[in-house]
Amino acid sequence: EPEVTQTPSHQVTQMGQEVILRCVPISNHLYFYWYRQILGQKVEFLVSFYNNEISEKSEIFDDQFSVERPDGSNFTLKIRSTKLEDSAMYFCAISGTANTEAFFGQGTRLTVV
Amino acid sequence: QKEVEQNSGPLSVPEGAIASLNCTYSDRGSQSFFWYRQYSGKSPELIMFIYSNGDKEDGRFTAQLNKASQYVSLLIRDSQPSDSATYLCAVRRGSTLGRLYFGRGTQLTVWP
Repeated sequence: EPEVTQTPSHQVTQMGQEVILRCVPISNHLYFYWYRQILGQKVEFLVSFYNNEISEKSEIFDDQFSVERPDGSNFTLKIRSTKLEDSAMYFCAISGTANTEAFFGQGTRLTVV
Repeated sequence: QKEVEQNSGPLSVPEGAIASLNCTYSDRGSQSFFWYRQYSGKSPELIMFIYSNGDKEDGRFTAQLNKASQYVSLLIRDSQPSDSATYLCAVRRGSTLGRLYFGRGTQLTVWP
């Protein structure tokens, strides 16, 4: 199973601050995703990224969110001005193609206070 | 209309029994179906995927897909206490580029 490493494992931030969540896939998978899971709720899709551009995004992924893969390895999710409701587990996932199985990283728990 | 629906449970079975988990989906054009296991506070772990109608077996796990009924299930044979977790059904539509739609999950408890 492909390995996906996420950092940090837990981040606490004040409301209004910017956070950057990082994902490092240890493989040559081509598709990257961010999902989030609010405590007690289902896993929700945020965005997919392929060939250095966003291929799809959900209604959750508004202007306060952005993604990039600046150096060809790290894949980052930036939340510009965090809100209390952004508190959740954020998961990075990878897949070889758009049609194959996706593997998840261990997640980053974001707590906005 | 919810995209993917699962019985939330909890489902409780004795050790050694068969656990049956069910999932229905709304988009008839869905093409790929996945079962993930999620322990409390952890990330989803892929355990099975199925693309074609019928059964697919992998060890103690069997995934079953019926596209006409828009139904996918997971059977766990010889259930073990270590199987106790939340099982997430995820569906990929034909029209989306890799996006997964998740159900809320079914909590399974296997008691010794």
